[in-house]
Amino acid sequence: GAGVSQSPRYKVAKRGQDVALRCDPISGHVSLFWYQQALGQGPEFLTYFQNEAQLDKSGLPSDRFFAERPEGSVSTLKIQRTQQEDSAVYLCASTPSGQTYNEQFFGPGTRLTVL
Amino acid sequence: SQKIEQNSEALNIQEGKTATLTCNYTNYSPAYLQWYRQDPGRGPVFLLLIRENEKEKRKERLKVTFDTTLKQSLFHITASQPADSATYLCALDPQNTGFQKLVFGTGTRLLVSP
Repeated sequence: GAGVSQSPRYKVAKRGQDVALRCDPISGHVSLFWYQQALGQGPEFLTYFQNEAQLDKSGLPSDRFFAERPEGSVSTLKIQRTQQEDSAVYLCASTPSGQTYNEQFFGPGTRLTVL
Repeated sequence: SQKIEQNSEALNIQEGKTATLTCNYTNYSPAYLQWYRQDPGRGPVFLLLIRENEKEKRKERLKVTFDTTLKQSLFHITASQPADSATYLCALDPQNTGFQKLVFGTGTRLLVSP
């Protein structure tokens, strides 16, 4: 079956531009996560959705970052007025339920480069 | 900030040997710990989960131990193969949130030479 997909795979933005990154989780997966991965580092938690509800957004670096999942499936991570420090790989992951002990299924990521 | 330590230097071993990777954490009492594999340009892929009441878990050539006293997990790959070359990440939910708010280590890159 289809896994988690993300688009675009690569995005180059000029500083100050707004970007939108899309995540299509595995069909039927209740939980969705966004992570930011800097070069040579592990993924860092950004935000978590259970269905359409954003239950935790404590990892979002600033108010320039905004995520939504309006219908409980596809999610979009938006970054306004991009800065060079936003350059990273943005990963999306989903799990079948909101319970513990589930493996997280990751997408391939979107590599964002801010010039 | 991440508070999980993994060997930052790459681990180079010969094919057929056992690779052992470490994951150390401090100030947490996680209910479980996960290991993921990440290849360049790809997202992490789940390998194993071990719970706090489990000392050891195996899956094919993989073995994970979890010592809650030492606050350490060891990840072993026996009979290693060049295809095992990748970065291996450990992750845990330090707040035991229940929805898996994972904190990842920096990862250890494993290189298996033929």
